[in-house]
Amino acid sequence: DAGVTQSPTHLIKTRGQQVTLRCSPKSGHDTVSWYQQALGQGPQFIFQYYEEEERQRGNFPDRFSGHQFPNYSSELNVNALLLGDSALYLCASSSLDTDTQYFGPGTRLTVL
Amino acid sequence: SQQGEEDPQALSIQEGENATMNCSYKTSINNLQWYRQNSGRGLVHLILIRSNEREKHSGRLRVTLDTSKKSSSLLITASRAADTASYFCATANTGNQFYFGTGTSLTVIP
Repeated sequence: DAGVTQSPTHLIKTRGQQVTLRCSPKSGHDTVSWYQQALGQGPQFIFQYYEEEERQRGNFPDRFSGHQFPNYSSELNVNALLLGDSALYLCASSSLDTDTQYFGPGTRLTVL
Repeated sequence: SQQGEEDPQALSIQEGENATMNCSYKTSINNLQWYRQNSGRGLVHLILIRSNEREKHSGRLRVTLDTSKKSSSLLITASRAADTASYFCATANTGNQFYFGTGTSLTVIP
């Protein structure tokens, strides 16, 4: 049984570019949450998707958007990249009947 | 801002000793969970304690929760070098939105 998977592992972009990160949830999970973790900090909640809708959103600008597909996989899109967007982006999956979120290995984004 | 705050920020102990780290939070919670992270990789779930529970055990881990003080502690007994990692507490509200603290960096010296 595959856990949460994310792609790509690493990514390097330049300021102003756009990026798309992908996540496949753990089998049986229908909810996907995205987090941003800056170096030396704890993860910060970006948003959560359930039934292809954004269910909750943290304090992130509209440059951060997402999507969930019918197979429950999800994408995180970031437009007009800033240097401060450099971080580890973590995806977590869960289901409504469980309280635990299971995390993927993350995508390390570097913005130059 | 992040709701949880771990204390201490860094902890260094000898193998075999116990490690205790604390977490404080600000608002009411549905549950509190502890995660481990090795070298900037994904987070591994350790243990969940619900708001109506006071103590929970899992192997060498013991977690306590004091909702009146809005605090939790994680005790790792008989530590091993493999326990070296960053440890985060995450509080969950009724919408299961997680708030993480800044973490405790634990180093276990062989």
